[in-house]
Amino acid sequence: AQTVTQSQPEMSVQEAETVTLSCTYDTSESDYYLFWYKQPPSRQMILVIRQEAYKQQNATENRFSVNFQKAAKSFSLKISDSQLGDAAMYFCAYRGPYSGGGADGLTFGKGTHLIIQP
Amino acid sequence: NAGVTQTPKFQVLKTGQSMTLQCAQDMNHNSMYWYRQDPGMGLRLIYYSASEGTTDKGEVPNGYNVSRLNKREFSLRLESAAPSQTSVYFCASSVRTGNTEAFFGQGTRLTVV
Repeated sequence: AQTVTQSQPEMSVQEAETVTLSCTYDTSESDYYLFWYKQPPSRQMILVIRQEAYKQQNATENRFSVNFQKAAKSFSLKISDSQLGDAAMYFCAYRGPYSGGGADGLTFGKGTHLIIQP
Repeated sequence: NAGVTQTPKFQVLKTGQSMTLQCAQDMNHNSMYWYRQDPGMGLRLIYYSASEGTTDKGEVPNGYNVSRLNKREFSLRLESAAPSQTSVYFCASSVRTGNTEAFFGQGTRLTVV
């Protein structure tokens, strides 16, 4: 079974600084997707960025970028120029191919609570 | 553009009561999912429906039943609620199973007393 590990329960960063959230995962698949979701106090799950494993280029979305190391099974999220609105829980998630032999759906890490200091 | 809509947003139940959480999506997605989120646990898959007419168990199915009513709607039923089912419940949908992103509803906070 796939597992996703986020080793930082909480991170704190000064506004305008850069912060990196860590995520490692375990899978025997070669083709899969990885995601970072943001969950603000409103509870809504918001997709921040996604990475397709067959793509070597790291995904980037404005101030958000990832460092995808497939061999190391590592998928970190970098937030540049942190803003107060970035304060939230961040979840790393894995999704693999569905062959019908196991459950479909996302496997989530336990989350990292990001605090932005003004 | 509604996306994935869940009702209700909040609910308090007494132990032993039953209720159904409703979920509807308007994106013409084939696959739908129910997750629960507990403090410090991330989201865990309860049940999913790969396509209309099919349902399958996820990681934590005990105490729940589901119905894929049609392509748009996927409901989650608690037949006899227990305090251990106090959680936040999320419905999600995907265009298909496997390698693709999921879109989430706004969640239902359920408290069983």
